[in-house]
Amino acid sequence: EPEVTQTPSHQVTQMGQEVILRCVPISNHLYFYWYRQILGQKVEFLVSFYNNEISEKSEIFDDQFSVERPDGSNFTLKIRSTKLEDSAMYFCASDELRGSTEAFFGQGTRLTVV
Amino acid sequence: SQQGEEDPQALSIQEGENATMNCSYKTSINNLQWYRQNSGRGLVHLILIRSNEREKHSGRLRVTLDTSKKSSSLLITASRAADTASYFCASNFGNEKLTFGTGTRLTIIP
Repeated sequence: EPEVTQTPSHQVTQMGQEVILRCVPISNHLYFYWYRQILGQKVEFLVSFYNNEISEKSEIFDDQFSVERPDGSNFTLKIRSTKLEDSAMYFCASDELRGSTEAFFGQGTRLTVV
Repeated sequence: SQQGEEDPQALSIQEGENATMNCSYKTSINNLQWYRQNSGRGLVHLILIRSNEREKHSGRLRVTLDTSKKSSSLLITASRAADTASYFCASNFGNEKLTFGTGTRLTIIP
């Protein structure tokens, strides 16, 4: 069964460092997303991406965050200068049809900022 | 916020019993999706129910949707130890993103 894959599974970084989280969405999906889940809290939307541009972003997704689809398969989330409060599980997701079909999530990257 | 609470927040039942979890939302939805999350792991898609549907089944799972009450329920029948996880509802309000509920932590006691 097709799946969304994310790497790395766990990333530890120093405060102020840049991190790049990587995702390979399901190949025939057109819409890509990043969500995050701070430990013990609900899953929160960060950004959606379609046709090589951001289509929606939340207020969490400030200037420190960026997304890119550098080639036909990868989808990345970059955090330029990490803060302690960026520590969370980050999930990539994809779906076929703009929220109207099942969104499939990856296993997540646990980011720990120290 | 568009998404309300899920209840109960935590539920413990004996293996073999049925588990029911509820989810409420505040504005009209396009669809509602249920996910399972094992401790510290990824989100596994369970069922999507559209706003014009009232009930959907998948194996031991049954989801209902009551748009007049803006609520949905997930029923797991004949529960197994492997069903122990957190369960989340996530609503799509006609745009792309999903808005998640707070989740129900289900524990199945062998």
